[in-house]
Amino acid sequence: GAVVSQHPSWVICKSGTSVKIECRSLDFQATTMFWYRQFPKQSLMLMATSNEGSKATYEQGVEKDKFLINHASLTLSTLTVTSAHPEDSSFYICSAFQTSGMADTQYFGPGTRLTVL
Amino acid sequence: QKEVEQNSGPLSVPEGAIASLNCTYSDRGSQSFFWYRQYSGKSPELIMFIYSNGDKEDGRFTAQLNKASQYVSLLIRDSQPSDSATYLCAVMNSGYSTLTFGKGTMLLVSP
Repeated sequence: GAVVSQHPSWVICKSGTSVKIECRSLDFQATTMFWYRQFPKQSLMLMATSNEGSKATYEQGVEKDKFLINHASLTLSTLTVTSAHPEDSSFYICSAFQTSGMADTQYFGPGTRLTVL
Repeated sequence: QKEVEQNSGPLSVPEGAIASLNCTYSDRGSQSFFWYRQYSGKSPELIMFIYSNGDKEDGRFTAQLNKASQYVSLLIRDSQPSDSATYLCAVMNSGYSTLTFGKGTMLLVSP
């Protein structure tokens, strides 16, 4: 299967700072990547769709100025949580969309656990 | 509103038994169907995908799709304690890349 990496796997930061999370597709090119957030014992929540070379599409209720997404290449998307606050503490997971006809599939990265103090 | 419904469980089965996980979806335009496994504290891992009516087998896993009934299932044969996880059903519409997820079914396999 396709491999997607995320970095860092965990991060602890102080309130008010910004944190950047990287998502890379290692063995395929991904025009489209996705960013999800998951709180403990809750479902995955799609935050935004990231398209290479264009602006991200944010889901309703997700602040685009707070969660900055850049998809500068076919293998890299970044999510920057700006001015992080304790309520932003969560498990952030990216996925990369691999196209192969009827087998188009999203492959997930291992996730980044963010703790904001 | 596209919806994917799963029983939240937990579904408890003894080791060696067959675990049957079910999922229904509301959008008849759905074309591709996925089962992901998510261990506690980890990200989802793709187990299987299916897009044609009928069965698709991969090792101990069998996905079943019935588009007329808008129903997809996952059978796990010879269940192992290591199969204990939350199983997420997801659907994708043709021409789109976004997935609609169910809330997941927790499976517990007891030794």
